[in-house]
Order: sequence, then C-alpha cells, then structure tokens
Amino acid sequence: SQKIEQNSEALNIQEGKTATLTCNYTNYSPAYLQWYRQDPGRGPVFLLLIRENEKEKRKERLKVTFDTTLKQSLFHITASQPADSATYLCALGPARQLTFGSGTQLTVLP
Amino acid sequence: GAVVSQHPSWVICKSGTSVKIECRSLDFQATTMFWYRQFPKQSLMLMATSNEGSKATYEQGVEKDKFLINHASLTLSTLTVTSAHPEDSSFYICSARALAGQYNEQFFGPGTRLTVL
Repeated sequence: SQKIEQNSEALNIQEGKTATLTCNYTNYSPAYLQWYRQDPGRGPVFLLLIRENEKEKRKERLKVTFDTTLKQSLFHITASQPADSATYLCALGPARQLTFGSGTQLTVLP
Repeated sequence: GAVVSQHPSWVICKSGTSVKIECRSLDFQATTMFWYRQFPKQSLMLMATSNEGSKATYEQGVEKDKFLINHASLTLSTLTVTSAHPEDSSFYICSARALAGQYNEQFFGPGTRLTVL
C-alpha cells in the first residue's frame, strides 16, 4: 500500500537559517506532489505543487524539489522567520484523491 | 480568491444527537468537495469525496449511514454526523476542488471542531 513519511515529527531551527523538510514515499508514482501549511486548529493552506517532470519549484522563500528516482521531495524555507512556525504537510496524488503525510512541526526560534 | 468556509467552527453536542457541518466555496464553483477528519498530531484522513448532484464516495471503513454527505450545489456540501458518540469527536475539515483548477490543488476550509459529550 502507499506510504508517505515525513522525516521528523518536529524540527527546531534558529531564525534566519534554512529549514529543510523531507517527504519520502513508497509503493506509489504520483503525478503531483504538494506542500501545505497547517496552523493549530486551522485547515491546511496550499503552498506549492510540483509535477513529476519538474525537478524544482520556487515561490518567494520556498523551494521544493522532487526526485522520482529517490521517491523523495525536499521542502526548503530560506531566511526562516518565527512566523513560519507551523506544521507542514506533504500530499501526493491527483487532486481527486490526495494522500497526506503526518506532517512536520516546524518551530523557528527567535 | 479560492476561499472555503465551514460552519460552525466548533460544536459541542450530547451523545446520540446529530450534527450538521456546512462547507461552502465562496468565490468559485467546486465540482468536487472532500471531507477529512484529523485527530490530534495526526494527518488528515479522507472520509469521502462528493461530487455535485451525485452520491458521495466513501473511503473504506467510513460508515456512510453515520456520516451523511450532501453536495447540493456547486458551492455547498454538508456533512451530517448522525447519532454522534464521543469517539466521533474530532476535527473535521472540508476542501474543494475548483471547476477548472489550473494547478489541481485543493482549497481547505478552516475546520470544525466537534466534541461529543
């Protein structure tokens, strides 16, 4: 069965540093991989989508890579700020049926 | 753009009662809406997919008679938790997929916290 793993449950980094979150998957060949941000008690907010034929996608301070050989996506936040503290979810699949990872809780320390 | 609302944002009810949660796409038409539940520190689990004007498709293990879904229009879907029990207490989140979504992302509502006493 499909399995999605996000590398760590929690990640603490210092303000200004680059945060790198990992999403690994098995038994699956997704056409899309998406990253969402979720704040406590709120629904997820879409951040970035990367297609299987794309290696990298950027949006402001965010960067996503997608390695279909390694079955892995890396999500980077550069020049991190305390406001970036949240849980970040990766999701795989076509839009009609996304499968979510369990998330990584990022805390950016001032 | 692409705003999804949910109502209520939280609800507390007694065991045995039914609770209705509304999900609306405010500024776009959604052919498909999704209902998820999320337990603390866990990921979103898809419960069902609903398409406007047709019956919802439920994920394995989700009781369709307990979680009634109605997708009456392109902007409104409702989830009714019937005869709620304490184990139904959870965070329920809906999402909507745009009629002609360029990027195929889902737009999520803010969630509804259900507590069954």
